[in-house]
Amino acid sequence: DAKTTQPTSMDCAEGRAANLPCNHSTISGNEYVYWYRQIHSQGPQYIIHGLKNNETNEMASLIITEDRKSSTLILPHATLRDTAVYYCIVRVADTGNQFYFGTGTSLTVIP
Amino acid sequence: GAVVSQHPSWVICKSGTSVKIECRSLDFQATTMFWYRQFPKQSLMLMATSNEGSKATYEQGVEKDKFLINHASLTLSTLTVTSAHPEDSSFYICSARRYEQFFGPGTRLTVL
Repeated sequence: DAKTTQPTSMDCAEGRAANLPCNHSTISGNEYVYWYRQIHSQGPQYIIHGLKNNETNEMASLIITEDRKSSTLILPHATLRDTAVYYCIVRVADTGNQFYFGTGTSLTVIP
Repeated sequence: GAVVSQHPSWVICKSGTSVKIECRSLDFQATTMFWYRQFPKQSLMLMATSNEGSKATYEQGVEKDKFLINHASLTLSTLTVTSAHPEDSSFYICSARRYEQFFGPGTRLTVL
């Protein structure tokens, strides 16, 4: 059962930053925040994850609030190829534990 | 990142037949793989956890006799949908864990 809530859909203009929020108010101290995305009819793609510090990689940045009850995934310069469903998931890292997906946010990047 | 493949990428079968879907970790060994199902416009739903050399663990509501899982090696897990019916038509996705979980491209099953 998913432990996160996300907006159902969002639009973003091409070239602008896309900020995708996620609420995880019941997150435990040893649970990480993961972000995956799924382009239509493909398997989910790993984007980024973090525990409490902000993280950045070549794809995105992850901002986690100090109380860890929410986070924001930032795509700095959205392109049309970033149109996808974005899933925010919380789970304990470095275990064999499975992922439980919520409904995700359908991001549409508009030309 | 690590590569997970699935075969076939799509399959159409008649009602009552069985269909086998393969999930392979191409460049790493995976003691644990996971199988998901996704209906149109819905999220992924975990079906079962596949453990190499032991029985799979099924999520509540998933029939183990209908969805047979075999994880015979560290790089291969198979899902067999037995006596498939139209309501089994779905997008089946596997994942394997290396340092993080990597997902396969999915298999589209259509049962006529």
